[in-house]
This record gives sequence, C-alpha cells and structure tokens, in this order.
Amino acid sequence: QVQLQESGPGLVKPSETLSLTCTVSGGSISSYYWTWIRQPAGKGLEWIGRIYTSGSTNYNPSLESRVTMSLDTSKNQFSLNLTTVTAADTAVYYCARAPVPSSKWGLDVWGQGTAVTVSS
Amino acid sequence: DIQLTQSPSFLSASVGDRVTVTCRASQGISSHLAWYQQIPGKAPKLLIYAASSLQSGVPSRFSGSGSGTEFTLTISSLQPEDFAIYYCQQLNNYRALTFGGGTKVEIK
Repeated sequence: QVQLQESGPGLVKPSETLSLTCTVSGGSISSYYWTWIRQPAGKGLEWIGRIYTSGSTNYNPSLESRVTMSLDTSKNQFSLNLTTVTAADTAVYYCARAPVPSSKWGLDVWGQGTAVTVSS
Repeated sequence: DIQLTQSPSFLSASVGDRVTVTCRASQGISSHLAWYQQIPGKAPKLLIYAASSLQSGVPSRFSGSGSGTEFTLTISSLQPEDFAIYYCQQLNNYRALTFGGGTKVEIK
C-alpha cells in the first residue's frame, strides 16, 4: 500500500521560500508523475505542478515563475520550492501520485496534506 | 488554459436520492477527466478516471459519463457517507491540469 507524507514548516514569512517534501513509502517512486496541489481554507483545489521520475517538470503557468520541483530517488522523496511567498500562498498543500499515462488515470494516491501559513 | 465549470455548486439531497453533478470544459478534452470526493478536513479521493472508469474500491453507486466538453458524475442512491465536496479535473492539457470549482453535496 503506497503512502505519501508531506513534511515542512507550517509557518513561512512573507517574501521567503516555502519548501515542502513528500516521502513515498510502500512503493517505488519510479514511472509515475509526482504532483503538488494546494487548497486555501474554504476554497477549491489548485494544481501546482508535477515532476516525472525522469526529472521532467510541468508547472501551473500562474505559478511557474516561482515554482521548482525536484526528485530524490535514493530517498524516495520529491520536493516543492515556492519562492517569494505572500499571504495568498497560505493553504493546505497536498502531494499526490499520477500513474502513466497521466491523461487517463488521475491522481490515485494522496498525502494527508500539510497546512502552511504565510505570516510575519 | 482549459476551464472547468461545475454545476450546481451546491445541492441538498436526501439519503437514497439519485444525484447528478455536471462538469463542462471550455474546450474538448476527449475522455481525459477524473472525479474526486473530498470529505472536509481530508485529502481528496479518486472516484472516477478516464471519465467513466470506476477506481478500485469505489462503490458501484458512483458512475461517470461524457466526453468532449460535457461530463457527469452520478450517485445512484446517496448514502450518509457521500455527503462531501466533489471535484472534476481535466487531464488533457498537461501544462495545467485544472480542477473544477467543486460541488458541495449536503443533507436535506
């Protein structure tokens, strides 16, 4: 049973960088798209972007200038960096898995989510 | 970007009711659509992929249909555990895999 667990600071100061890691357990990180999604309190889901096990990435155009994703296959982890954060980046951040081909399968495994607040 | 519009945004229904949620895409996306259920405070859960395929372990009262620009999620007989928020997601444009705005299903 594959499980995902997000980790990282729950509080980030404005203008700083938000950094989160998702650890994959119970399965391989290979041959999947690894995805980040966020959800502000009381609002809908926003797709942030994804990274394939080859290292190729796709980012939401609205966040692309501030987002970087990376993968560490030796640790079965993938990470999100979001720079120059503001209060608008306050949200619950989820990591999730998408099997290949991603146009068919959707996000079949999700982490429990981690709340991040941007405040001084 | 491909926009997804869900309707209604809110619906009130009773246990045993048949419920239908619609998701409309701003351009054709073939059958590249997924549906998720989110219980408040929990992570979303995949219900339907490829527009009409039931994810393993999901009860058969859930079904999906449609292709192109119009899709539906149907719950044939609403159960107490089905009161939640439902989201569609388009999987066609890999540069931005957008979600619909959500449909909240509440108890009448």
